[in-house]
Parts: sequence; C-alpha cells; structure tokens
Amino acid sequence: GQQVMQIPQYQHVQEGEDFTTYCNSSTTLSNIQWYKQRPGGHPVFLIQLVKSGEVKKQKRLTFQFGEAKKNSSLHITATQTTDVGTYFCAGTRVYNNDMRFGAGTRLTVKP
Amino acid sequence: NAGVMQNPRHLVRRRGQEARLRCSPMKGHSHVYWYRQLPEEGLKFMVYLQKENIIDESGMPKERFSAEFPKEGPSILRIQQVVRGDSAAYFCASSQLGPPYEQYFGPGTRLTVT
Repeated sequence: GQQVMQIPQYQHVQEGEDFTTYCNSSTTLSNIQWYKQRPGGHPVFLIQLVKSGEVKKQKRLTFQFGEAKKNSSLHITATQTTDVGTYFCAGTRVYNNDMRFGAGTRLTVKP
Repeated sequence: NAGVMQNPRHLVRRRGQEARLRCSPMKGHSHVYWYRQLPEEGLKFMVYLQKENIIDESGMPKERFSAEFPKEGPSILRIQQVVRGDSAAYFCASSQLGPPYEQYFGPGTRLTVT
C-alpha cells in the first residue's frame, strides 16, 4: 500500500491564487524530496528537506518539513500557468531506507 | 552531460509478446530505479538495482517481470507475455548514491499493449 499519503489528489486554481499540497507518513522519515512532472513529461527533482522543521524557498515555492519529520508541504504563492503539472513528494523511511513516492497532486491553473 | 536515457520512447506490443525496456543511467551513477505510471496516476516503485545486484524488488509483480543491471550496458526491464494491463509509462531513474539521494529521471517508455 501507499507508504506516503499525499493530498489533495487534484487542485484547480485561478491564476494568481495560492496552492498547497500536503504529504504525510505514518513513520518517521529521514528526509523528504519534492518532484514536479509536467504534462507528458518526466519527474524533475525540486528540493530535498532533511532537518526537523526545515523551511526552504525557491522563488514562489515554499517547502516545509514537519517537526516530527512525518509530514511536509509545498506551497506556491500566486500561481502561474507555468506551475501546471503534478507535484510528488518522496519520503525515505528511517528504519529501512526505502524511498517511496506519494500519489501526487495534479495542479491545473486557469488563466 | 547526458541525462538518463531510455529507449525506446514508445513501444507497441501485442498481447503475449515480450517487451524490453532499456535504461542508461547518468554518467557516474550506479543506482537505478524503475517505476510504473498508469495514466493519471502516481509513480509506483518497482525495483532498485545496483550494478549486477537487485537491492529491492518489492514492487515487482511476481510473474512475467524481471530486471537486470549488468556490469556493462544498460539496465533492462523485461516483461514477458504482456497483457493489456501492462500498458503504462515506465520511468527509469538513477542516482549517484542510494536512497535518500535525489533521483534523476529519464523521459520514460510508453508501452501500449494491443
């Protein structure tokens, strides 16, 4: 079964609105990674978070890793049509070093 | 620097035929992962290999599917006696070191079984 849960599955926003996707694990993660897959493309690595409570920013994207290292979020401020795609989190479990992807959140942006 | 290469990009097979998907990792990468993605769905882990070793095949179906990463040459994902349900995009990724290092994905092979 899915070891890393990601919600929502779909998100439709108007251009300029904000967007957030959440990733949750029942077990502690050593790190979490985020990837973006454009329609028809392949996943591309965005960022990795390692420390408890870590926050990283890439322009309009803000990534957070929870204090307990069991959850993470990706927030996009003022979405643009170029943000369209599916955003995946990937968590590595501490106890067995397995890295598994969440089901992804598919973002569509209406101009 | 060449990225991860996969071929063919598109593959059409009739039911019962064999499908062979190839993946050449990025230069300097010795860890290879295979994922399956059904239309509109997420990435399902299949297998993780290093040169000449299968490290984790917990996501591989028990029958008809096999993978290898020989000392020389690309990694191969082999599907015997394909069925319609095998139609999907198969992505290969590579990393310099094993988990939890970031993975670099190839463009994928779109397999269609008719």
